[in-house]
Amino acid sequence: GAVVSQHPSWVICKSGTSVKIECRSLDFQATTMFWYRQFPKQSLMLMATSNEGSKATYEQGVEKDKFLINHASLTLSTLTVTSAHPEDSSFYICSARRSGAGNSNQPQHFGDGTRLSIL
Amino acid sequence: QKEVEQDPGPLSVPEGAIVSLNCTYSNSAFQYFMWYRQYSRKGPELLMYTYSSGNKEDGRFTAQVDKSSKYISLFIRDSQPSDSATYLCAMGGYNTDKLIFGTGTRLQVFP
Repeated sequence: GAVVSQHPSWVICKSGTSVKIECRSLDFQATTMFWYRQFPKQSLMLMATSNEGSKATYEQGVEKDKFLINHASLTLSTLTVTSAHPEDSSFYICSARRSGAGNSNQPQHFGDGTRLSIL
Repeated sequence: QKEVEQDPGPLSVPEGAIVSLNCTYSNSAFQYFMWYRQYSRKGPELLMYTYSSGNKEDGRFTAQVDKSSKYISLFIRDSQPSDSATYLCAMGGYNTDKLIFGTGTRLQVFP
């Protein structure tokens, strides 16, 4: 199997708080993980690509100082939403791709998402 | 023109029907193709993955790829109410990390 665990599943917090979301690949190693944002009834929007041991690559329009990504091991990536505001409320989903030869064409396996609500 | 086009639906069918979901794409660099199922408030779940033209079958699901027409399909046989979800096509190429997703088709199977 290819199980990705994302935690927490739901966060409600006050404006100005920083929130950390964890993404773990439970039964495989993942050199590359991805962070997405999804608005209601819309498709996934890629925010950043996270590579183990190096800086994340952010998509155009995504503030890297706002959305801090750390990928310190082959099984864990974290996304920290700093000084969150109501407009940051959304559904955040991570995915992981199995490491190995020819890994660029391996499918991505997704976590169950984190629903972030900023009051 | 979007790189990947997918009819958002909703598509409503009776239980037991054969469902056909489709995506078209414009980038000939796409070499591998996936179908994901996403239930409400959950992450996408990988259903099918293929990288060659032709058919691939897994239980009630058949994925079809036609690279010459830039067209992919997912067929669901004997559809069940539990198949009610949003189905996302996704595709990628060997020279990129990213997947390009369709907008998703919302499927409703009624008893």
